[in-house]
Amino acid sequence: DGGITQSPKYLFRKEGQNVTLSCEQNLNHDAMYWYRQDPGQGLRLIYYSQIVNDFQKGDIAEGYSVSREKKESFPLTVTSAQKNPTAFYLCASSSGPSNTGELFFGEGSRLTVL
Amino acid sequence: KQEVTQIPAALSVPEGENLVLNCSFTDSAIYNLQWFRQDPGKGLTSLLLIQSSQREQTSGRLNASLDKSSGRSTLYIAASQPGDSATYLCAVKAAGNKLTFGGGTRVLVKP
Repeated sequence: DGGITQSPKYLFRKEGQNVTLSCEQNLNHDAMYWYRQDPGQGLRLIYYSQIVNDFQKGDIAEGYSVSREKKESFPLTVTSAQKNPTAFYLCASSSGPSNTGELFFGEGSRLTVL
Repeated sequence: KQEVTQIPAALSVPEGENLVLNCSFTDSAIYNLQWFRQDPGKGLTSLLLIQSSQREQTSGRLNASLDKSSGRSTLYIAASQPGDSATYLCAVKAAGNKLTFGGGTRVLVKP
């Protein structure tokens, strides 16, 4: 089945550690996105990529890094510089770079910093 | 800067009643608007996508309208069921292929 796979589903991290969240899609989509969701708040864009080997900062990129070496994969690293990393992270993709593409989401990864 | 608002933040209705969910946006220069459903602890599921040139989209019991000039979209869910209980989010896509999300409306359908 076509879709977006995020792993791990749950992750615990000690303060000062970097952690990488995986996002893989088999929808042949060009554009991929990372969002962060906090309780009582809407989704906020961290990074997005419209094509392989290219990505742009979103609204809250500080303390995060990404890479886009393959069309199918867009991993997100939460670095120790991120001041408040505990959150629910959502990966999405859309056919693009057309602006009319529908957005599809993975099931999310919940990161807890101990 | 585009701002998307969903009011009310929460809604409770008896089973069988029609649901009306509102979404408003400040900048009418959008490419499309998308409605999503989110169950607790889960990702977002796409419900309907309305392109900027369209006035409405329908899928089963769901109907979404779009009025770009007034910056509004409405999602109608007919004959609500307990399984419709979830949070519903709208998002608008504008220049740069970026989406701006509303804060969502949490819906409870009581049996």
